[in-house]
Amino acid sequence: DVKVTQSSRYLVKRTGEKVFLECVQDMDHENMFWYRQDPGLGLRLIYFSYDVKMKEKGDIPEGYSVSREKKERFSLILESASTNQTSMYLCASSFGGRAPGELFFGEGSRLTVL
Amino acid sequence: AQSVTQLGSHVSVSEGALVLLRCNYSSSVPPYLFWYVQYPNQGLQLLLKYTSAATLVKGINGFEAEFKKSETSFHLTKPSAHMSDAAEYFCAVSDPGGSQGNLIFGKGTKLSVKP
Repeated sequence: DVKVTQSSRYLVKRTGEKVFLECVQDMDHENMFWYRQDPGLGLRLIYFSYDVKMKEKGDIPEGYSVSREKKERFSLILESASTNQTSMYLCASSFGGRAPGELFFGEGSRLTVL
Repeated sequence: AQSVTQLGSHVSVSEGALVLLRCNYSSSVPPYLFWYVQYPNQGLQLLLKYTSAATLVKGINGFEAEFKKSETSFHLTKPSAHMSDAAEYFCAVSDPGGSQGNLIFGKGTKLSVKP
């Protein structure tokens, strides 16, 4: 089975702290994604990557950065956390190519910024 | 830009009753369409997907959806609800002009099942 693992299920951070959210997939997928999920807003794309060291901005990249040094790992970085970044963060991966395939999701990382 | 509308943020049904969750999309080209389910404190998992083959798509756990191009709809149904179906359901559509492989998600419909 495809497995997408997010390193932290729950995090509590203070305003201004640097936050790292890690995501690892074990199916050799080319594409990896970070979404933010908020009640009533659905899922919004923050960043995605279709290859190692490649990244593209999604719909809401402000305040976030990403890193993909290895194919299986995609990290989301909050350089200086703010309270409005309190949210559920979901990592996903999929096979490459233009035709959209199934996204496989991790269990999510719930971040609270105080 | 591609968009997805899910009618009703909350739907409540009795156990054994029909489940109908509505999804409409905006697209000038035939899209790929997906339904995902999210159980509490978990990530999303795929229920079913439409990729321009049969218009009636069968998924896991007894769910199915019908692609209707004339109505730009992809509603999700299940003949008889079970308590274990209580979850949040997301409709998603491919993003042909946007990020490679990305999906555009609706805002979700939370399904409650009453005993």
